[in-house]
Amino acid sequence: DARVTQTPRHKVTEMGQEVTMRCQPILGHNTVFWYRQTMMQGLELLAYFRNRAPLDDSGMPKDRFSAEMPDATLATLKIQPSEPRDSAVYFCASGLVQGRSGDIQYFGAGTRLSVL
Amino acid sequence: DAKTTQPPSMDCAEGRAANLPCNHSTISGNEYVYWYRQIHSQGPQYIIHGLKNNETNEMASLIITEDRKSSTLILPHATLRDTAVYYCIVLNDKIIFGKGTRLHILP
Repeated sequence: DARVTQTPRHKVTEMGQEVTMRCQPILGHNTVFWYRQTMMQGLELLAYFRNRAPLDDSGMPKDRFSAEMPDATLATLKIQPSEPRDSAVYFCASGLVQGRSGDIQYFGAGTRLSVL
Repeated sequence: DAKTTQPPSMDCAEGRAANLPCNHSTISGNEYVYWYRQIHSQGPQYIIHGLKNNETNEMASLIITEDRKSSTLILPHATLRDTAVYYCIVLNDKIIFGKGTRLHILP
């Protein structure tokens, strides 16, 4: 059963530390999304890639966040330095986009980040 | 901003049909309506999508009005496992999740 895999599932760190979250998209999918979810803001799109190229990162704080896809099987979201306000659940999703009707996204289980 | 309006919460008795409404009065002709749900502390899960015609799959049915300004997601026989937040999304360039409807299934 193909699924999106995110690691780690939980991360507790101290303010100022670097945090790296990883995502393995479903094999064959050409689009990868990063979301952040908090109680106050709900689900926010941070960035997404198509065929490993960044298409939109307008939702991401550029000064401390970075997203990359070093290869087709790995996407990373990095926060450096981390701050308490970054505490949230970070979801990765992947999909196979083929025109307007193919935008179904499959979500991972998320990484729950706590910055103390 | 999300282009949809949904009630914040709804109740449904177990075994009955759950009908979740969504208003998308500014939808454009080539924009699809997607429904996802999120069960507590899990990632969102795709349910169904449609453009103009009504759609049905193993999870739900989607009824889109003729003018496409609103739609209804129907869970035909709701169970306790259907308790979740349901998101109605109009897909333009990218998916934007709104607040959704929190569906409570009552035993």
